Amino acid sequence: GESVGLHLPTLSVQEGDNSIINCAYSNSASDYFIWYKQESGKGPQFIIDIRSNMDKRQGQRVTVLLNKTVKHLSLQIAATQPGDSAVYFCAEIDQTGANNLFFGTGTRLTVIP
Amino acid sequence: GAGVSQSPSNKVTEKGKDVELRCDPISGHTALYWYRQSLGQGLEFLIYFQGNSAPDKSGLPSDRFSAERTGGSVSTLTIQRTQQEDSAVYLCASSPVLNYGYTFGSGTRLTVV
Repeated sequence: GESVGLHLPTLSVQEGDNSIINCAYSNSASDYFIWYKQESGKGPQFIIDIRSNMDKRQGQRVTVLLNKTVKHLSLQIAATQPGDSAVYFCAEIDQTGANNLFFGTGTRLTVIP
Repeated sequence: GAGVSQSPSNKVTEKGKDVELRCDPISGHTALYWYRQSLGQGLEFLIYFQGNSAPDKSGLPSDRFSAERTGGSVSTLTIQRTQQEDSAVYLCASSPVLNYGYTFGSGTRLTVV
């Protein structure tokens, strides 16, 4: 079955530094990927998504990179701010198959002021 | 409403009791999803509804779990004869089309004592 995992469960960065959160997936048929941010006591919040026909997508201070060869996804946050402290999840879906979003365990990002 | 609304936000129940969790999706969203998030874990898919199609119940962990969506809008997740392992945050999401543009609610934290 599909699995979505993360290399590091926790990540601490200094305010102003760039953050990189990694994610591995196992279903080569997955064609759509999403990064979510979850703050304490809240539901996951959409950050950025990418389809499998792309290898990079940029948003405001965030960039998602997709490497289909090694089934790896990363989220880069530029100039990390204290408000970025949260748990970050990657999610994958095979939109032609099982039609469910599969989530990884998450990485807790802590920004040190 | 402006977002996905879930109620109650917290629920404490005794083992063996039945509970009902409610989700009000964003108006006009045709798809509605239920996920479960155990402490420090990722999101586990439970069930989704899409328009008038039969729901995908493939993620429901046992026959004690059931869900319905009335009139294509409000959904209730029912857990019968609750067990301690049912303790988790139950998250609802909706989207305008299947598997694209998810918006999550803040969840219901269920504690079974």
